[in-house]
Amino acid sequence: AQSVTQLDSHVSVSEGTPVLLRCNYSSSYSPSLFWYVQHPNKGLQLLLKYTSAATLVKGINGFEAEFKKSETSFHLTKPSAHMSDAAEYFCVVSDSNYQLIWGAGTKLIIKP
Amino acid sequence: EAGVAQSPRYKIIEKRQSVAFWCNPISGHATLYWYQQILGQGPKLLIQFQNNGVVDDSQLPKDRFSAERLKGVDSTLKIQPAKLEDSAVYLCASSTNPLPTDTQYFGPGTRLTVL
Repeated sequence: AQSVTQLDSHVSVSEGTPVLLRCNYSSSYSPSLFWYVQHPNKGLQLLLKYTSAATLVKGINGFEAEFKKSETSFHLTKPSAHMSDAAEYFCVVSDSNYQLIWGAGTKLIIKP
Repeated sequence: EAGVAQSPRYKIIEKRQSVAFWCNPISGHATLYWYQQILGQGPKLLIQFQNNGVVDDSQLPKDRFSAERLKGVDSTLKIQPAKLEDSAVYLCASSTNPLPTDTQYFGPGTRLTVL
């Protein structure tokens, strides 16, 4: 069965420093992988999606993620954090029936 | 383009009462989802509609939860009677395509507190 683990419930970085949000998945086949972001009092928004094309996926707002099959990881990165990046981020994997399996979320805190 | 609309934004009820949530998807989106998001967890799919038909309701607690999308546009999710463990944010999402892996557009959610 497919599963997804977000390794950190909270990540705190200073503005202008790099962001790394970690995600590991378990799948018996080649899944689709997603990152969604949830800003306070706003709806979830798709950041980026991997669907077996390029392993380095670029998303909105300067975020990118790299699919590493050997490590079963799909970590989300950004070179320089901005205050507006403060939000909760969800890693999502699809199962063989295209259903989405959501991680528990990582809250990103940006220090001024 | 208007986004997914949900109402109410907040609701507080006592256990054993009933409650209903409303969702209006993005115009033209045939696929509509209802999710339950308990604090500290990711969203859990409750039901998926394609137009006015149910595609997947395998995780909907049918003894107390019901949902409808009679005209294939807006949708209502009802809980009757509510339990303490139903306290959560209820999210509605819509999409142009029926596969859950296609981009879903989410509303702001309804936060339900059951006392």
